[in-house]
Amino acid sequence: GAGVSQTPSNKVTEKGKYVELRCDPISGHTALYWYRQSLGQGPEFLIYFQGTGAADDSGLPNDRFFAVRPEGSVSTLKIQRTERGDSAVYLCASSFSAGWYYGYTFGSGTRLTVV
Amino acid sequence: AQTVTQSQPEMSVQEAETVTLSCTYDTSESDYYLFWYKQPPSRQMILVIRQEAYKQQNATENRFSVNFQKAAKSFSLKISDSQLGDAAMYFCAYQGTYGGATNKLIFGTGTLLAVQP
Repeated sequence: GAGVSQTPSNKVTEKGKYVELRCDPISGHTALYWYRQSLGQGPEFLIYFQGTGAADDSGLPNDRFFAVRPEGSVSTLKIQRTERGDSAVYLCASSFSAGWYYGYTFGSGTRLTVV
Repeated sequence: AQTVTQSQPEMSVQEAETVTLSCTYDTSESDYYLFWYKQPPSRQMILVIRQEAYKQQNATENRFSVNFQKAAKSFSLKISDSQLGDAAMYFCAYQGTYGGATNKLIFGTGTLLAVQP
């Protein structure tokens, strides 16, 4: 596609439920990043994929968070047993390769609200 | 660890005037990249301008320019001839060149810019 697509745009879920957030990067972009943006804060790094593998998952806050990218394109961020503190905007970005030179394209994010 | 600080939570500027947004950062690296991103209500982060730390010349993109002071670890954004469409949240971001191939961005807390007609 022309841009990075994230679905759903908004998601409201009950505490304790499981959610999946989807990111469809620009075709041909091998690098994919997930960031979390809490209210009033800048985005914080969660996980980085190069191709199909998670090259760096050091930003995942705990084991309730998991992400996959099975075919090296679409990625899904999975959150188990959601908590109210998980409420945030989850942003996805992609690039031809990790590194600033190619530039990153961000999606419009998924706003997750846990009630 | 690297940190990015934006000390101005909100700024306001009159249309057609000039405004400067401040950013400081902390790092022990000598080579890195700095960015300014704009985030309108649509939530999509849009790259405004970027600067390589090894370049002394300040980057310029049309009405947007930076004042990069490496020794002071300062990276301010100047917007000239402000337009209503410039109203948005602006984030300063740092990207290191060491620590593996992740090249993740480290963001500040943002400055909300209002443009008055």
